[in-house]
Amino acid sequence: GQQVMQIPQYQHVQEGEDFTTYCNSSTTLSNIQWYKQRPGGHPVFLIQLVKSGEVKKQKRLTFQFGEAKKNSSLHITATQTTDVGTYFCAGLEYNFNKFYFGSGTKLNVKP
Amino acid sequence: DSGVTQTPKHLITATGQRVTLRCSPRSGDLSVYWYQQSLDQGLQFLIQYYNGEERAKGNILERFSAQQFPDLHSELNLSSLELGDSALYFCASSVGTEPTYEQYFGPGTRLTVT
Repeated sequence: GQQVMQIPQYQHVQEGEDFTTYCNSSTTLSNIQWYKQRPGGHPVFLIQLVKSGEVKKQKRLTFQFGEAKKNSSLHITATQTTDVGTYFCAGLEYNFNKFYFGSGTKLNVKP
Repeated sequence: DSGVTQTPKHLITATGQRVTLRCSPRSGDLSVYWYQQSLDQGLQFLIQYYNGEERAKGNILERFSAQQFPDLHSELNLSSLELGDSALYFCASSVGTEPTYEQYFGPGTRLTVT
């Protein structure tokens, strides 16, 4: 079954509001990657986190990897209509070398 | 453009049939991954090949098989197709053996089984 869960499934925000999606694993992860898929498009790599407690920023996007390496979050400050899409986390399970994509969070931004 | 190509773009076939999806990785990438994405669903990892050898297996059905050829292109074979196999099939490629490297996704093949 699914080892990496993401919440929320959907998020509708007004342009300018912040947005956060959370990724939770039942097992320790070696790394976590984040991808964005625009409507009708293919997933595009955003970032990879490897270290416990790691925080990385890309302009308005902030990515965090939990201390226990079992959860991660993506926060977007002041959303724009260009942020519309589905955000997926993907994690490599530490002990079993299995790679799982989360179920994704679909973000809609109203102008 | 990710540099990963997939053919065909669309495929419509009947239940019970067999189809082959093709993927060419980015130049220099040795790993190829196959994913299935059903309507409004997440990405289900199917299988990974590295330099011609099977590297990792996800929830791939026995009716499905894949291979990677010496020129590194890969094919995903789906047989005895069922209605539930209708989905978007993505291929991705990366440089290394482990999925700790950035994966570049192709545009996908949309399969419709009627």
